[in-house]
Formats: sequence, structure tokens, C-alpha cells
Amino acid sequence: EVQLVESGGGLVQPGGSLRLSCAASGFTFSSYWMHWVRQAPGKGLVWVSRINSDGYSTGYADSVKGRFTISRDNAKNTLYLQMNSLRVEDTAVYYCARVTSSSFNYWGQGNLVTVSS
Amino acid sequence: QSALTQPPSASGSPGQSVTISCTGTSSDVGGYNYVSWYQQHPGKAPKLMIYEVSKRPSGVPDRFSGSKSGNTASLTVSGLQAEDEADYYCCSYAGSSNVFGGGTKLTVL
Repeated sequence: EVQLVESGGGLVQPGGSLRLSCAASGFTFSSYWMHWVRQAPGKGLVWVSRINSDGYSTGYADSVKGRFTISRDNAKNTLYLQMNSLRVEDTAVYYCARVTSSSFNYWGQGNLVTVSS
Repeated sequence: QSALTQPPSASGSPGQSVTISCTGTSSDVGGYNYVSWYQQHPGKAPKLMIYEVSKRPSGVPDRFSGSKSGNTASLTVSGLQAEDEADYYCCSYAGSSNVFGGGTKLTVL
């Protein structure tokens, strides 16, 4: 059974940093591109970032470019999102998702990040 | 990276059909056959309902169908059931990124 379990969220002050993790199991993690998608409270889904299967190609939404870094450790079956210079508007539930045919076919349970003073 | 355009709400009675539109540009919806649709119930993670414009993952009822014409994709839910009440999001590949629609709240009357 495919499982994606996020961790690392919580409350952080504006300007602070946080690292999210997404532990994968039930599939060959190193064979799949992975993405992060976020959802602000009461709002819609927004694509954040993606990484290819070997970790050498990444992409970011304009809103997080230069502040967030996506990475992966295929030996540990884990995806990461390092978030720096956090802003109030980064407050959201962050989902990791596995991609096949450019669609998100498996999602984690979501992890809440709250940026507030 | 502008969001795709969806109507904020849609509704129908049980047994009826409803169609939700998703309008983008030639750089996303119109440029690729990689449009997907997601269903999200309150407090839950999204669930893939349609991928590659019109394909259904295993386990998704055939009441759900997708199509595309030009820069607009559509999701049709036939034979509406109470459990179909949820938020629906379209998503398109856009070259080096992905872009979601703003979401449509489907109400089953």
C-alpha cells in the first residue's frame, strides 16, 4: 500500500525557517517524481514545487522561488521541503504528492504550517 | 503561473448531471493533454478522479468523465449522488510547473 506521511509542520514566526519531511513507503520511491502542494485555510490548492526521480531537477512556483528548497533522499525514501524567510501568506496545509502522467495520484495526509507572530 | 478559472459553485439534484469547466491558456490546458481533476471532502486530502483529460483511475466510478476543447477542460458528474458533494479542482501541466484551478464547490440539492 502506498503511504506518504508528512511531518515537521508547526508554528513559526515571520522570517523563520522550517523543514517539512514526507516519508514514503509501499512503492519504489526512487522511480517517481514528487511534488509539494499547499492549501491556505479555506482556500484552494496551489502547486509549490517538484523534483525529478534522481533529485537533480527541481522547479518552484514564483511565490516561493528563492525561499524554498525541495530535495530528496532516495536511500531514506524521504522527500523534503526546506522553507526559509517564511511569510504570513505561507500559512497553509502542505501536502506531498506522488506523480504519474503529470497527475497527483497519491497524497499525504497534509501538514499544517502556521506563520504568525 | 496564473490559476486556471473554475466557477466557484455548481449544483444539481440527485440523479442529475452537472458539468464543471476549467479554463486556461495555450500554455497549460490547451498545450498539453495533461489535465487532471481532484475531489476533496472537508478536512481530507484531495483524491484523483480524472487524469490525462479523460482517463479514470481504478476505483473511480464511470459517472465521472472528463473532456477538453481548446483551452477549456470539463468534468461531468452523471447520476449525482449525495457523496459527490465536495470541492473539485482541475490541474494542468504547464511546461516546467503545474497549475491548479481555484476550485468548484459542488452541492447536491
